[in-house]
Amino acid sequence: TQLLEQSPQFLSIQEGENLTVYCNSSSVFSSLQWYRQEPGEGPVLLVTVVTGGEVKKLKRLTFQFGDARKDSSLHITAAQPGDTGLYLCAESSGYSTLTFGKGTMLLVSP
Amino acid sequence: DTAVSQTPKYLVTQMGNDKSIKCEQNLGHDTMYWYKQDSKKFLKIMFSYNNKELIINETVPNRFSPKSPDKAHLNLHINSLELGDSAVYFCASSQERHRGNTGELFFGEGSRLTVL
Repeated sequence: TQLLEQSPQFLSIQEGENLTVYCNSSSVFSSLQWYRQEPGEGPVLLVTVVTGGEVKKLKRLTFQFGDARKDSSLHITAAQPGDTGLYLCAESSGYSTLTFGKGTMLLVSP
Repeated sequence: DTAVSQTPKYLVTQMGNDKSIKCEQNLGHDTMYWYKQDSKKFLKIMFSYNNKELIINETVPNRFSPKSPDKAHLNLHINSLELGDSAVYFCASSQERHRGNTGELFFGEGSRLTVL
């Protein structure tokens, strides 16, 4: 099973700041998904990246997939309190299962 | 309409008891899962079922027994509960895109189990 490393583990910032979180592996990803989990809820998919070098934008969120498909980043511009949550990357590690990283807990204060 | 619903949302029980968590999805997906999220928020796969058949059974004590009466339901029964079983258990479903590539997972709201 592939090990996914996410960093930083925790991030506490003020509203309006920019931030980047990372997801890395020693092996090549077949595809990578990013989820956000809000307190008391289940994770919800934000984006799937498949092609090396791919960049996807979702409003203020920019997702990048490394050229070698071993790393991915999520950049948030002008963070808002509504962005608070646990950001998880997940990789399809075989038949019918996703393996998750340990997540980055983001707290955005007003 | 809730896509993936699980009950109960909260469960507080004594060590040694047996309990069940139920899950239903109305998305028409073929594959359902149970994940365990520990106190450090690590989400770990426990079981995966495809069309009522068990596909994935990670290293989980055999006190945990999943049951899928049909492809829209996946229940989790836990015998002889231990303190370390305290966690949030998430049910999820997906429509597999193609072999070896899992599609988007749709999660329930979680069932928080506290064993005293």
